[in-house]
Amino acid sequence: QKEVEQNSGPLSVPEGAIASLNCTYSDRGSQSFFWYRQYSGKSPELIMSIYSNGDKEDGRFTAQLNKASQYVSLLIRDSQPSDSATYLCAVNYLGNEKLTFGTGTRLTIIP
Amino acid sequence: DGGITQSPKYLFRKEGQNVTLSCEQNLNHDAMYWYRQDPGQGLRLIYYSQIVNDFQKGDIAEGYSVSREKKESFPLTVTSAQKNPTAFYLCASSIGTGAPYEQYFGPGTRLTVT
Repeated sequence: QKEVEQNSGPLSVPEGAIASLNCTYSDRGSQSFFWYRQYSGKSPELIMSIYSNGDKEDGRFTAQLNKASQYVSLLIRDSQPSDSATYLCAVNYLGNEKLTFGTGTRLTIIP
Repeated sequence: DGGITQSPKYLFRKEGQNVTLSCEQNLNHDAMYWYRQDPGQGLRLIYYSQIVNDFQKGDIAEGYSVSREKKESFPLTVTSAQKNPTAFYLCASSIGTGAPYEQYFGPGTRLTVT
């Protein structure tokens, strides 16, 4: 069974600080990695995708992938109250049509 | 505006009734998906379709049915056989299936069955 694990939180971070969200996965055949943001009562919104080892930056967001250690992380710099949401990690495997989702980490930014 | 629409936003039904949830996309995506989300749980895949007139069961297909008669549309029917139908239902689409294609979600339908 391919699994994606996330700490459910809640993770509380002061406004302006860096929020760090982590995700581990079980299958070394994993090829594509995604971070979704989900506000309470809303649908998931894709914020980052990463496919190769290293860092990928997009504005205040940085995704980090380490395939050897089987983890992917999301850093949010200069955290804002509007970043308060649940963040879902999703993983895809080459040759597999399906995304596997973690259960999400609830992030709260404290003003 | 390109996107995915789901209707209705909220749906209430009595136990024993079938109900159909609508999902339409104008992104010209080939693949479409239905997920279910329950409180404290991750998204679970119900059905997916890679092309018109073809679809595959996901992890929790029992009690659900789908059709894919048009590329733009992928309706989901929740039948009376589904034991716990109350949930948040999410439709998604992508250019293709599998890695590396990104999935985009519609706004969701919250179904309550009493």
